[in-house]
Amino acid sequence: TQLLEQSPQFLSIQEGENLTVYCNSSSVFSSLQWYRQEPGEGPVLLVTVVTGGEVKKLKRLTFQFGDARKDSSLHITAAQPGDTGLYLCAGGTASKLTFGTGTRLQVTL
Amino acid sequence: DSGVTQTPKHLITATGQRVTLRCSPRSGDLSVYWYQQSLDQGLQFLIQYYNGEERAKGNILERFSAQQFPDLHSELNLSSLELGDSALYFCASSISAVPGNTIYFGEGSWLTVV
Repeated sequence: TQLLEQSPQFLSIQEGENLTVYCNSSSVFSSLQWYRQEPGEGPVLLVTVVTGGEVKKLKRLTFQFGDARKDSSLHITAAQPGDTGLYLCAGGTASKLTFGTGTRLQVTL
Repeated sequence: DSGVTQTPKHLITATGQRVTLRCSPRSGDLSVYWYQQSLDQGLQFLIQYYNGEERAKGNILERFSAQQFPDLHSELNLSSLELGDSALYFCASSISAVPGNTIYFGEGSWLTVV
């Protein structure tokens, strides 16, 4: 069974701060995805990283896939209250996505 | 709005009962997935259907079953319910079963077993 461990589990920061969320596995994944889930809603795909070492940017969010394709990170610059939510990494194919344990982010004014 | 519609949004039922959760995928999507999200287990893949046929199976209990109908909507049947079945059940859909396809999640059905 492929497991994805995320850290930290919880993060409470103030607006304007930077943060990094980590997603680690002992297994190699062909691709990793990052999702954000807000209360009362389903997860929404943010990005898919495919190549080892790949870096993708989405406005203030920077995603990196580890060289060995076993880990990934999400860095948020100048966090805003709208970034609040549950961040999930996921690996595998659409037919059987394995989701990470999740990082719950709270950004306060 | 992802375009995936799930009903009911909330459901409270007693142990031992049976419930059916319904999902309408995004227009044009042939593949439907069911996931369970609980506090202790996180988000777990249950089962996938593609164009009416079962395509992949995950951690789905024998008490649970699903099907996809000719109009592509899907139902997840949960029977002999236990307290531990209380969770948020998500349906998701994608245009095909090809790896790499983006899957779109519905808003989920909250099931509380009392």
